Amino acid sequence: EIVMTQSPATLSVSPGERATLSCRASQTVSSTLAWYQQKPGQAPRLLIYGAYSRATGIPARFSGSGSGTEFTLTISSLQSEDFAVYYCQQYNNWPPGTFGQGTKVEIK
Amino acid sequence: EVQLVESGGGLVQPGRSLRLSCAASGFTFDDYAMHWVRQAPGMGLEWVSGISWNSDSIGYADSVKGRFTISRDNARNTLYLQMNSLRADDTALYYCAKGLGTAVAGPSDYWGQGTLVTVSS
Repeated sequence: EIVMTQSPATLSVSPGERATLSCRASQTVSSTLAWYQQKPGQAPRLLIYGAYSRATGIPARFSGSGSGTEFTLTISSLQSEDFAVYYCQQYNNWPPGTFGQGTKVEIK
Repeated sequence: EVQLVESGGGLVQPGRSLRLSCAASGFTFDDYAMHWVRQAPGMGLEWVSGISWNSDSIGYADSVKGRFTISRDNARNTLYLQMNSLRADDTALYYCAKGLGTAVAGPSDYWGQGTLVTVSS
């Protein structure tokens, strides 16, 4: 089973700054990787699929990159509404659709 | 507007059963794969199970395999999760999620608000 490892566990960023989140797969998942955002008390929201394609309605400040085992989610200029927990999910080696443990982006 | 409304959660004793339902609306239900994802209190997301649009392809997490059964009724636009032999570590908020496409191996683009399952004596 593929293990997804996200880093860092917590990222402290000031509004307006750039945030870079990492996700590493224990074996290649090609480009079958998604990123989700979850705010407290809310369901997750799909941000990125296929490693770099933005989901419907997602602002351009969110971008995904990578393939194989190393992936990155970049938020170019953090807005107040972007402080949340972010999860990656692989769906290449299915089942299962394994999630990473999450990265919390907090206000610095 | 896509809506997914879960129901059927509650407090249940270890070893007992529970059936979750997810009523879908706002999209052509039988065009999409569907999933169940859970989140234990204060923890991350755990994919539980997924089913293709025509129920031909079904998958489970190892942690629930042999105990949980996913199914769907396309005529009723409803997804189900039958949970048997429940354990304390099944305690979680269970989300119903719509697949992005027809392929069951894929991400989920819409999620319900979840139904809470608590397994305790």
